[in-house]
Amino acid sequence: DIQMTQSPSSVSANVGDRVTITCRASQGISSWLAWYQRKPGEAPKLLIYGASNLQSGVPSRFSGSGSGTEFTLTISSLQPEDFATYFCQQADSFPLTFGGGTKVEI
Amino acid sequence: EVQLLESGGGLVQPGGSLRLSCVASQFTFNNYWMTWVRQVPGKGLEWVATIDQAGNEKYYVDSVKGRFTISRDNVKNSLFLQMDSLTTDDSAVYSCARSPIRYFDLWGRGTLVTVSS
Repeated sequence: DIQMTQSPSSVSANVGDRVTITCRASQGISSWLAWYQRKPGEAPKLLIYGASNLQSGVPSRFSGSGSGTEFTLTISSLQPEDFATYFCQQADSFPLTFGGGTKVEI
Repeated sequence: EVQLLESGGGLVQPGGSLRLSCVASQFTFNNYWMTWVRQVPGKGLEWVATIDQAGNEKYYVDSVKGRFTISRDNVKNSLFLQMDSLTTDDSAVYSCARSPIRYFDLWGRGTLVTVSS
């Protein structure tokens, strides 16, 4: 199984800050990686797929990069509505696996 | 509105069974693979099972193989998860998700399953 290691587990930031979250795969997954946002009481939301493709409707302040085993999600200028938990997920092969999550908080 | 709505969760004793349902609205259900994902409150997400558009290909996480069965009814725009021989480790919020190319682009809010004596 491919293990996904996400860091940091939490980050404190302010509105306007640039935030970067890292996800590492235990083996190469090419660009088969997605990023999700989850807020309490809400369904997760797909932000990025294919490592760097912005899902329709997602603000352009979100971006993804990387390939192989190391990936990053960047929020260029944190907005109040961005305080949430972010997960990565590898889509290379079954079993599909997720990172442990990063909570972005004030 | 495009949405997924789960139901069927509840409290069940260890060794018991539950059948979860997920109804899809406002999209062509039979065009998509579908998935069940679970999350223990306060912990990470775990992929559980995925089914192809016709219900012919099914994939499961090892921990549920032989106990859970994923199925679908494309006429009723519905996805199911039959869960047998439940253990306390199966307690979680179970969400269904639409799965183009093994990503999840639409999620339901989930239904809580509690396995406890």
